[in-house]
Order: sequence, then C-alpha cells, then structure tokens
Amino acid sequence: SQELEQSPQSLIVQEGKNLTINCTSSKTLYGLYWYKQKYGEGLIFLMMLQKGGEEKSHEKITAKLDEKKQQSSLHITASQPSHAGIYLCGADMTSGGYNKLIFGAGTRLAVHP
Amino acid sequence: EPEVTQTPSHQVTQMGQEVILRCVPISNHLYFYWYRQILGQKVEFLVSFYNNEISEKSEIFDDQFSVERPDGSNFTLKIRSTKLEDSAMYFCASSDSSTGGRNTQYFGPGTRLTVL
Repeated sequence: SQELEQSPQSLIVQEGKNLTINCTSSKTLYGLYWYKQKYGEGLIFLMMLQKGGEEKSHEKITAKLDEKKQQSSLHITASQPSHAGIYLCGADMTSGGYNKLIFGAGTRLAVHP
Repeated sequence: EPEVTQTPSHQVTQMGQEVILRCVPISNHLYFYWYRQILGQKVEFLVSFYNNEISEKSEIFDDQFSVERPDGSNFTLKIRSTKLEDSAMYFCASSDSSTGGRNTQYFGPGTRLTVL
C-alpha cells in the first residue's frame, strides 16, 4: 500500500535543543513536502524536495531527501516555542502530473521554555 | 501573500442533510483538491480537479460527494446526505501549473464539519 511512516510520533524538547523528524516510504518519492499544522488548523507549506540528495533550508529548519528518494528528514536547529506544532510529510508517489499527496501520521512537537 | 480561503470555518448539520463546503483557491492556480482529516487521523485525499473535471478520486469520494467550480473563483464540495462518519476537518488545496515545477499544494484553513 502507499504509505509514509513518520517518526517519532511525538517529541518534547527543551528550547534551544536540536531535533530531527523522519519520513520513510517503501516507494520512490517523486516529490516530498513538509507541512506544519497547528492543532485544529490548516497545513502551512514549509518545503518541497524533489531530487535525490537534495537539501533545503529556511531559517532554522533544514529538510533533506536521501539519494534513493525514499526517506526525508526535517531538522530544526536551536528550537523555539514557535516551532511547536504538528509536522506532516506529504508525498507524491506518481511520476508526472499534479497528483494527490499521501500524508504521514504527523509528528507532534512541543518545545518547553 | 495569496492564500486559499474556506467557508464556513465550522458547519454543524443533522445526519441526512446536504452540506456545501466552499473554497476560494489562489487566483492563478489551476489544480484543486479536497482532503479530509478525521480527528486524530491522517490527512486523506478525496478528489482532485482540473479543467472543470475530476482528475482523480479516492474510495472515500463516493456518489454522495460532488465537486464543482461554479464560477471563476469558487470551488465547492457537496455532500448530499451526510453521515455521522463524515464528521471531519475538510481542507481545500490548490496548486499552480508552473512548468517544471512539482505539485506544491497550498492548503486552506479548513472547515470543521460536525454531523449530529
């Protein structure tokens, strides 16, 4: 089945600490999207990765896609309370076109001051 | 910054009633989507729409569901006869057709549908 596994399910960190969230697929990912969701709200687009080995950064968040295009990681450096929320990875598992996204279950992040 | 908007933010309805959820996608986008998220579960794809027709739909999107782009700006999801299990957050998303770009989908804030 087309599924994405996210780990960990939840994470509690002290402000200032670094953290990593992983997203793994058994199939090749043609596009991997990271979103942030606050509880009960919409999904905010963070970053999109497409090429094997690609890495993108925005402020203190870095996302990578492995060479085989089956695993992505999201790394937050020096976490702040504003980073708290649910991080979702979404994947396009079909080549070509503008296709549906398959989502992972999410990682719930809490950052304590 | 352009954004996807959705109305209403919260809809309460009785089982068996029809509901219409409304979305205004980002203005130059051509691809539109509906997803739903049942409380505590994953975000699930319902349907995609392009050039005034459905591109793809999931198993969830049965005959009780329909989508429409009634004018140049709105995109609607209709549920004809709501069931208790239709209670969920419904998200609209849109993406553009930029050449060579992948399918970055921008999501609206969602409509929380409660079926009693």
